[in-house]
Amino acid sequence: GAVVSQHPSRVICKSGTSVKIECRSLDFQATTMFWYRQFPKKSLMLMATSNEGSKATYEQGVEKDKFLINHASLTLSTLTVTSAHPEDSSFYICSARDGGQAPLYQETQYFGPGTRLLVL
Amino acid sequence: AQRVTQPEKLLSVFKGAPVELKCNYSYSGSPELFWYVQYSRQRLQLLLRHISRESIKGFTADLNKGETSFHLKKPFAQEEDSAMYYCALGRGGGNKLTFGTGTQLKVEL
Repeated sequence: GAVVSQHPSRVICKSGTSVKIECRSLDFQATTMFWYRQFPKKSLMLMATSNEGSKATYEQGVEKDKFLINHASLTLSTLTVTSAHPEDSSFYICSARDGGQAPLYQETQYFGPGTRLLVL
Repeated sequence: AQRVTQPEKLLSVFKGAPVELKCNYSYSGSPELFWYVQYSRQRLQLLLRHISRESIKGFTADLNKGETSFHLKKPFAQEEDSAMYYCALGRGGGNKLTFGTGTQLKVEL
């Protein structure tokens, strides 16, 4: 089946630094990837939709200058948390849509394992 | 605005007992509903979607537009069903997902 990886799995950084998280689709091409954030014991919250070769679409309330998304290739999207602060500490999860030749209703999102960010 | 509600944080049942995980939604458009499952130390994965009207691992879910519900059911719980279950509402062609808060299912022997 389709596999999505994330790197790093865990990162600890000092307040004020920037952190980059990578999301890769390993065995399929993903024109669209999604970035989610999950707080402890809370649900996943969609942050933005990353489209290959174009600007990301951010959900309401998500600061685009804070969370920079780049989708430079069909297998890689990156999320950069700029000038991170302790309130940015969270679990960040990406997913990639594998459409292939399937009808739209059969398209599936495959999720990465997540990245735990701790800002001190 | 869209919303997904899963009223139970934890559901504990005995092996062989029926399971029903509740999910209610609110959405002004035509809903696309999904159930995702996360087993211990594994990533989130799709369990089933309403449009396929399929049964996966013995689980089924029927979309009830009148009650705005998409409850997940299984007649006989198995130990391996223990996991976190998330109900999700798709918008934007089903791609943008709004998740519920999840229900932890624990199947006891």
